Amino acid sequence: GENVEQHPSTLSVQEGDSAVIKCTYSDSASNYFPWYKQELGKGPQLIIDIRSNVGEKKDQRIAVTLNKTAKHFSLHITETQPEDSAVYFCAAPDTGNQFYFGTGTSLTVIP
Amino acid sequence: KAGVTQTPRYLIKTRGQQVTLSCSPISGHRSVSWYQQTPGQGLQFLFEYFSETQRNKGNFPGRFSGRQFSNSRSEMNVSTLELGDSALYLCASSLGEAKNIQYFGAGTRLSVL
Repeated sequence: GENVEQHPSTLSVQEGDSAVIKCTYSDSASNYFPWYKQELGKGPQLIIDIRSNVGEKKDQRIAVTLNKTAKHFSLHITETQPEDSAVYFCAAPDTGNQFYFGTGTSLTVIP
Repeated sequence: KAGVTQTPRYLIKTRGQQVTLSCSPISGHRSVSWYQQTPGQGLQFLFEYFSETQRNKGNFPGRFSGRQFSNSRSEMNVSTLELGDSALYLCASSLGEAKNIQYFGAGTRLSVL
């Protein structure tokens, strides 16, 4: 199966600064990489995803980059705001469409 | 379109009891996956059901079982509860094909005393 590692486990940034979360995966056949945001008391919500035929995808203040050779992908949040504070998870599927999740990054944006 | 609905939101049980959790997927979604979320282990995959058949299974003991009905609604059952089963149980629905987006419900918080 797939093995997904996520770093860092906790991250504190000042409001307005950028935050970067990195994930590595083991299965070179993985070709779809979603990122989820989980707020307190809620289930994870998809915020952005990237497919293996592109190297970068942006959606306003959020971007994801993918390096298939190195088997890692990263989430970038620019101009962070207090409402960005949450736990973020990366994920990757195996060939059977079973998703494997990273252990999560707790992001705190300090006003 | 309504999202993924999980019931109940909270449950308190004692060791040795059994529990059944319910998940109603987004209309039109045929795949339902179940995950256990704990602070130390993150999201651990339990199993996936697609068109009433278990398609994938994670590394959990046989006390954890599930099923899916013809309307795609799914139930998860845990028998002979242990203290370590205390967790947030999440279900996610998708269309069921490769690289389909998974949409999560808010989860059922199970506490075993």
